[in-house]
Amino acid sequence: GAGVSQSPRYKVAKRGQDVALRCDPISGHVSLFWYQQALGQGPEFLTYFQNEAQLDKSGLPSDRFFAERPEGSVSTLKIQRTQQEDSAVYLCASSPRTGAYGYTFGSGTRLTVV
Amino acid sequence: GESVGLHLPTLSVQEGDNSIINCAYSNSASDYFIWYKQESGKGPQFIIDIRSNMDKRQGQRVTVLLNKTVKHLSLQIAATQPGDSAVYFCAENYYNFGNEKLTFGTGTRLTIIP
Repeated sequence: GAGVSQSPRYKVAKRGQDVALRCDPISGHVSLFWYQQALGQGPEFLTYFQNEAQLDKSGLPSDRFFAERPEGSVSTLKIQRTQQEDSAVYLCASSPRTGAYGYTFGSGTRLTVV
Repeated sequence: GESVGLHLPTLSVQEGDNSIINCAYSNSASDYFIWYKQESGKGPQFIIDIRSNMDKRQGQRVTVLLNKTVKHLSLQIAATQPGDSAVYFCAENYYNFGNEKLTFGTGTRLTIIP
């Protein structure tokens, strides 16, 4: 497709459940980012991949959060044992080059933990 | 679609008038700045960027001004249209090997009054 695709669009999880969020970046894009956006806030950085290498995971809030991009294309953000404070929109972005230059964001996955 | 932000600073402007959205950034070492537009239910959309060696940059109907002395950015939108209604975020980055992440501000909700 022409843009960054994220699925599912909405996810409701019971507290304690594991979830997996998928990101399909624009084909050929080297860089891939995950951000978390709480209601009423700006996006906050979670992690960054350059091809398949996870170069920065400093924003992951706890060891319950795990991200992978095994073949340098599709990425999955996994949250284990979800908690209510994990409720947010999870945004994926990709870029054709390295560096923080004009990423293209997807529409996000809205996660609600009940 | 879901709201991007319920308690953001707001600005209401009459259609056809000019609008100015302000942002104070946090890191004096930041050398790259971007303005994003976010509509309800969508990811942030790139509008315009500026590097720290410039103090002004113009695009189509938009101008970004950078004042490094007081760590202030502004986005001017000329001849506003109903489609300009959205939440606007500034974001900053400082170039350092491996530092690819953007730090976003809290956002401003712009409403265009027909």
